[in-house]
Amino acid sequence: DIQMTQSPSSLSASIGDRVTITCQASQDISNYLNWYQVKPGKAPTLLIYDGSTLQTGVTSRFSGSGSVTDFTFTISSLQPEDIATYYCQQYEMLPWTFGQGTEVAIK
Amino acid sequence: QVQLQESGPGLVKPSGTLSLTCGVFGVSVTWGDWWSWVRQAPGMGLEWIGEISHSGRTKYNPSLQGRVTVSADESMNHVSLQLTSVTAADTALYYCARRRGVVRGYLDVWGRGTLVTVSS
Repeated sequence: DIQMTQSPSSLSASIGDRVTITCQASQDISNYLNWYQVKPGKAPTLLIYDGSTLQTGVTSRFSGSGSVTDFTFTISSLQPEDIATYYCQQYEMLPWTFGQGTEVAIK
Repeated sequence: QVQLQESGPGLVKPSGTLSLTCGVFGVSVTWGDWWSWVRQAPGMGLEWIGEISHSGRTKYNPSLQGRVTVSADESMNHVSLQLTSVTAADTALYYCARRRGVVRGYLDVWGRGTLVTVSS
C-alpha cells in the first residue's frame, strides 16, 4: 500500500493566519492527490483534486500544490468556519489511502 | 444535486455481519460512476473499504478481502455494504461516497455517515 504521511497532526492558528499542511507519499503518485475537509456530524467535503484543482464551489482561500511525493495544502487566511480535520488521499494505486489527518483549531 | 444517505443497525454483535445501505438520490447508481465505502474508527483516520462501478465491477481493500462485499440495487437505487465476522476493530463511522473517474478519481459527494458499534 502507498503510505501517506501528513503533518502536523494538529495545529492552532489565529483568524487570518496562513495555514499549511503537508502530505508525503511513500512512492511516486504523480498528481493523483485529493484533499478533504471533515467536520463532526457533517458529510466530508472534497476541496482539492488532482493535487491542485479547486473543486467547484469551494472557497479560493484553499489551495493545493505539489507532485510526485510531496504535496501542500494551504488556507490563505484562516476563518472560523475552517475549523475541521483535513485529510489527503492518494488515488494513484489501489487501495486508495489517506493521511492520518490534521486537526485545525483556532488559537 | 446528488445526495447520499447511509442507514443500518447501529449495533452489531461480535462475529456477526454488518449490513449497511447507502441511498442514492439525484442520479442512478448505474449511470457512470463508482460508489465507495469509507470508514473512520474512533480517534483514527479514514480507511477506504471498497467500491462498485456502475456496471457492477468491484474493488476491495486487501486488508478486508474475504470479509467485505459491496453490491448495488438498480431498482432501489442504493448501494450496500456487508462485512462479515466483525470484531470491535470494525467499530467505526461508515461513509458512502461517489467516486468520479473510470480508473481512478476523487470522492466528490459523501453521505453524513452512520455509526456502527460492534459489541455484545
